[in-house]
Amino acid sequence: NAGVTQTPKFQVLKTGQSMTLQCAQDMNHNSMYWYRQDPGMGLRLIYYSASEGTTDKGEVPNGYNVSRLNKREFSLRLESAAPSQTSVYFCASSDLGVSQPQHFGDGTRLSIL
Amino acid sequence: GESVGLHLPTLSVQEGDNSIINCAYSNSASDYFIWYKQESGKGPQFIIDIRSNMDKRQGQRVTVLLNKTVKHLSLQIAATQPGDSAVYFCAENSQAGTALIFGKGTTLSVSS
Repeated sequence: NAGVTQTPKFQVLKTGQSMTLQCAQDMNHNSMYWYRQDPGMGLRLIYYSASEGTTDKGEVPNGYNVSRLNKREFSLRLESAAPSQTSVYFCASSDLGVSQPQHFGDGTRLSIL
Repeated sequence: GESVGLHLPTLSVQEGDNSIINCAYSNSASDYFIWYKQESGKGPQFIIDIRSNMDKRQGQRVTVLLNKTVKHLSLQIAATQPGDSAVYFCAENSQAGTALIFGKGTTLSVSS
């Protein structure tokens, strides 16, 4: 009963490097989300995918790209990492859109030097 | 703009007390609200939700109250335990209906 699985759990990058954060859910949910969480702040939406084959920008999309690979998987890519992208990244999924509980993974802690 | 806030960033209680965590929201059109608990090093964990056609909903040791007149949401935890120590977030569905809007969180500390 894994729920939402994120990999890796920790990562350190140098400025300018690229990487992809992976997320998979086993709850057969239609919608998936990527958030970032910074100290003293709530979660801010980066991108979301309401259903397989669709993606849309959230509140803070700049510097990121996403891919909804299939119904289970939703990846987040940093093409050229910047120190301002140091954060904890959370993936979530939900059934039938936003007025349903979102279920979260345990996050990827990303540091960019 | 849209925002969801909490009245207090921290709350300290004694084990066995009842805890009340408050949240104010700004969008009168929001129709879905949710509370999450986040423990250190973990992702947010769903606690309870409520829709705008209700003003109260109860779970196991938790109750959510919704006052649409003053746009206020609260989470009540009965007989608070040390394991309840965590950061609690409220969230509402966004105006565009695209995603949840989260508040900044209240840190609950329970001492025994």
